Amino acid sequence: GIQVEQSPPDLILQEGANSTLRCNFSDSVNNLQWFHQNPWGQLINLFYIPSGTKQNGRLSATTVATERYSLLYISSSQTTDSGVYFCAVDLIYGGATNKLIFGTGTLLAVQP
Amino acid sequence: NAGVMQNPRHLVRRRGQEARLRCSPMKGHSHVYWYRQLPEEGLKFMVYLQKENIIDESGMPKERFSAEFPKEGPSILRIQQVVRGDSAAYFCASSPDRTAYEQYFGPGTRLTVT
Repeated sequence: GIQVEQSPPDLILQEGANSTLRCNFSDSVNNLQWFHQNPWGQLINLFYIPSGTKQNGRLSATTVATERYSLLYISSSQTTDSGVYFCAVDLIYGGATNKLIFGTGTLLAVQP
Repeated sequence: NAGVMQNPRHLVRRRGQEARLRCSPMKGHSHVYWYRQLPEEGLKFMVYLQKENIIDESGMPKERFSAEFPKEGPSILRIQQVVRGDSAAYFCASSPDRTAYEQYFGPGTRLTVT
């Protein structure tokens, strides 16, 4: 079946540390997005990245579509980075459905 | 340029009442998506609408749930005769058209059924 897996499930960092979050998916994608859900529940768009590399400040993301994975890098982490990070994909399998399938998320806690 | 707007942000309903959630897409966007996040879970697709059309409702529960996106006005997700299991965060997203895949999410409506 269609799979979107994220690792690690939980991560605790000291402020200033770097981290890498991974998203594996089971088929080719039309769309891959990374989101940050903050402790207040708001879902914040981080990257639209079905392939290639993008950077936005301390965050960057790389998707290797041929190997079916994406990585989210967080550098010099801050306490405001805490929350859950989701990747979501729209798989090409079955046609372009425009339905995002979300991974189970990585819960990040950044300690001061 | 305003983002996706949802209201209300918090909604409390008693069992058996109706819940009506509203979503105004970003300016220039004609495609709307609804997702539900049950407690301690990830987001799950519910329905995909274009103006006056339901494109895909494969994620909608078979009973009590309906959605519309009229020619004028916001998209509405309606839940009739709510039960405690409907308590969740409901997120709306929008995109310009079917081939622009990036979806922009609103702040969500948190529904609590007492």
